[in-house]
Amino acid sequence: SQTIHQWPATLVQPVGSPLSLECTVEGTSNPNLYWYRQAAGRGLQLLFYSVGIGQISSEVPQNLSASRPQDRQFILSSKKLLLSDSGFYLCAWSVPGSINEQFFGPGTRLTVL
Amino acid sequence: ILNVEQSPQSLHVQEGDSTNFTCSFPSSNFYALHWYRWETAKSPEALFVMTLNGDEKKKGRISATLNTKEGYSYLYIKGSQPEDSATYLCASPDSNYQLIWGAGTKLIIKP
Repeated sequence: SQTIHQWPATLVQPVGSPLSLECTVEGTSNPNLYWYRQAAGRGLQLLFYSVGIGQISSEVPQNLSASRPQDRQFILSSKKLLLSDSGFYLCAWSVPGSINEQFFGPGTRLTVL
Repeated sequence: ILNVEQSPQSLHVQEGDSTNFTCSFPSSNFYALHWYRWETAKSPEALFVMTLNGDEKKKGRISATLNTKEGYSYLYIKGSQPEDSATYLCASPDSNYQLIWGAGTKLIIKP
């Protein structure tokens, strides 16, 4: 069966510090991978998605970046965090080229102080 | 650009009452309609995936219907319980099979 892992679960970082959130998927090959964010009081916002190693599409311009160094690994990064980067970050995967649902990881609660 | 809309934005329902809310989407180039349940501080959890006009799916006290000709889906909850409190999201794939999400309906069940 497929599982998706995210870490850390919670993170408190000062403004201007770097960020690295990691997501890995097990039990499937060549998944589509996604990073979402929920800011306080708001809905689900797609940040990045990837259809393969090294292929990243950005949905929202911001100071975040994503990388996919391996087939089942998706990393969300920032060189300098802003207060507005605080939120709940979710990684998800789906079967490529299908209409099937996306499966979400447990999420990372990021607080930037 | 595909636009998925949900209404109402939030809903307060008395425990034991039944309720429903709406997801609307473009009826052209339709592939599927997804419903998710998202509890605070947890991950969204898939409820239903519907593809055919007239589809009706049920899971316990929750059911959903689909009208692809007019571009809407209803989610029904019968006999609401406090554990039903969550945000309910709908989403529909675009031509690249990327899910386009609605903003959600936040359901609060009052004991």
